[in-house]
Amino acid sequence: NAGVTQTPKFRILKIGQSMTLQCTQDMNHNYMYWYRQDPGMGLKLIYYSVGAGITDKGEVPNGYNVSRSTTEDFPLRLELAAPSQTSVYFCASSYSRTESFFGQGTRLTVV
Amino acid sequence: AQSVTQLDSHVSVSEGTPVLLRCNYSSSYSPSLFWYVQHPNKGLQLLLKYTSAATLVKGINGFEAEFKKSETSFHLTKPSAHMSDAAEYFCVVILSGGYQKVTFGTGTKLQVIP
Repeated sequence: NAGVTQTPKFRILKIGQSMTLQCTQDMNHNYMYWYRQDPGMGLKLIYYSVGAGITDKGEVPNGYNVSRSTTEDFPLRLELAAPSQTSVYFCASSYSRTESFFGQGTRLTVV
Repeated sequence: AQSVTQLDSHVSVSEGTPVLLRCNYSSSYSPSLFWYVQHPNKGLQLLLKYTSAATLVKGINGFEAEFKKSETSFHLTKPSAHMSDAAEYFCVVILSGGYQKVTFGTGTKLQVIP
């Protein structure tokens, strides 16, 4: 099993550009999450999904969109990149009320 | 509402001495509690978890944590610090219910001095 795979690992965007952060898991987990990590702030939940076709907002959803067309994939879309979205992004998955498995992260810089 | 408070943003210990990383939580329901470790430029790895079984939980790399409901605490300990323990540690609470609400603490950076 590969676990949770995120791509890309690094990306530099210009203000106003858009991009999609990819996340896929091969553990057949129903729950998937997107977090952003800023220094000293821990992880903040952006969006989560409890199964294919079901998504909901977390603490900091503004400026992001998600979709969950399959159990395996949970892409995160940034439509109009802003400097405030410079962060490290983590995708995670879990099976119900159990521990989450994390991807290796995507370091995004918006300039 | 649920929340997690990690009482120290930085902890510094000498190699071979005990480690104590403190975590307090608030939750209206019986929570599941977790400790994760993050080494520099890496993802998060699960250290241990409490899910309403034994209150003293043993994890990987010699870490353990005790769930104390009366104190609403879930402190992480290790008898003897190793240089490889230097990392950031996150306490996490998961609330049961209609969906799985996950709340992270702000993290504690552990420095191990040789």
